[in-house]
Amino acid sequence: GEDVEQSLFLSVREGDSSVINCTYTDSSSTYLYWYKQEPGAGLQLLTYIFSNMDMKQDQRLTVLLNKKDKHLSLRIADTQTGDSAIYFCAEAAGSQGNLIFGKGTKLSVKP
Amino acid sequence: DTEVTQTPKHLVMGMTNKKSLKCEQHMGHRAMYWYKQKAKKPPELMFVYSYEKLSINESVPSRFSPECPNSSLLNLHLHALQPEDSALYLCASSQGLNINEKLFFGSGTQLSVL
Repeated sequence: GEDVEQSLFLSVREGDSSVINCTYTDSSSTYLYWYKQEPGAGLQLLTYIFSNMDMKQDQRLTVLLNKKDKHLSLRIADTQTGDSAIYFCAEAAGSQGNLIFGKGTKLSVKP
Repeated sequence: DTEVTQTPKHLVMGMTNKKSLKCEQHMGHRAMYWYKQKAKKPPELMFVYSYEKLSINESVPSRFSPECPNSSLLNLHLHALQPEDSALYLCASSQGLNINEKLFFGSGTQLSVL
């Protein structure tokens, strides 16, 4: 079945870049997603990438996709304290719009 | 309007209570979802509705009963829950059920079962 793996924790200093990594197993996934969850809140869709792309940039966010290695990364430039949250990588599961989430990476930003 | 609204934000209930969680969206989305998220875990799918019909039930116990009265509303009726059902319940919606659909989530209902 599908599986999505992420490292659990990342700590960076304010102003540095953050890189959150994810690996997935379903090679038929057409879209891969990054969601952000702040404490006690729902999930906010940050960005997504289509599987025929290698890179997508959206302001401070850069998504890199290595389809051969099934590796996805999210780079946050100039990380701010407001970026502290849990970041979930997700891939579409099957054909009915469901998502399979990784366990989430907790990003801590130190001033 | 890209919002999915969930009420209540917090709910405490006893094991003999009956309560309902509500979810509303006005984006014209035709697919709606219930996810359950335990602390420090990723969300797990419970139910999917498409065009107001139940499309997926991920072997959820019958003490959870979903209902989709119309295309904008999704309810989750709760009865005789157990303490281990305490979790954040997230509602989501998407345009349809295609594999490339983006899901938009509500803020969730934090449920505590005593």
